[in-house]
Amino acid sequence: DGGITQSPKYLFRKEGQNVTLSCEQNLNHDAMYWYRQDPGQGLRLIYYSQIVNDFQKGDIAEGYSVSREKKESFPLTVTSAQKNPTAFYLCASSMRGAPPTYEQYFGPGTRLTVT
Amino acid sequence: GENVEQHPSTLSVQEGDSAVIKCTYSDSASNYFPWYKQELGKGPQLIIDIRSNVGEKKDQRIAVTLNKTAKHFSLHITETQPEDSAVYFCAASKGNQGGKLIFGQGTELSVKP
Repeated sequence: DGGITQSPKYLFRKEGQNVTLSCEQNLNHDAMYWYRQDPGQGLRLIYYSQIVNDFQKGDIAEGYSVSREKKESFPLTVTSAQKNPTAFYLCASSMRGAPPTYEQYFGPGTRLTVT
Repeated sequence: GENVEQHPSTLSVQEGDSAVIKCTYSDSASNYFPWYKQELGKGPQLIIDIRSNVGEKKDQRIAVTLNKTAKHFSLHITETQPEDSAVYFCAASKGNQGGKLIFGQGTELSVKP
């Protein structure tokens, strides 16, 4: 059963703590992405990775960090430097190739609440 | 940078009516335009997409049209059903930035029985 999994579905943390969100895919996709979604807003790109051991900042990378040690996994760490971390976080993946295919498939999301 | 504007932010229709959602993009180099449907508490699901070499694409009750000159594209849903109620997002990509998508703000569609 192929797909993208994110865990946990709900996450609660105290202000000042770092927290890591998990994203795993078994679609054999090369590229993976992290988005943030706030109420009434579109998705904003945090980080993306096209291949293992490489990643690029998106539009709102400040206060976040990522790693891409395995093709299947792209964890996101929300650090204490992120000023407003409470949000719905979405992970996505897509294929690469020639011709490039850009369809991104999303996981179910993790709702992070920081108090 | 690329900017995508989506309208309307909310849309309410009667079951069986048609619904149209419009998006405009700023970067003429954009060449891929997907539409996503997001149900409450879930991740977005790709419902249809179009590339810049095509003006229209249809899949059953859903169609997308693209006007490259005007830099806008639209989602058309015919014979709407209550299960079409969700938030719909448009997006644009240039394809040469690792598939980076820029999303519109979303449209909350409500289909009343």
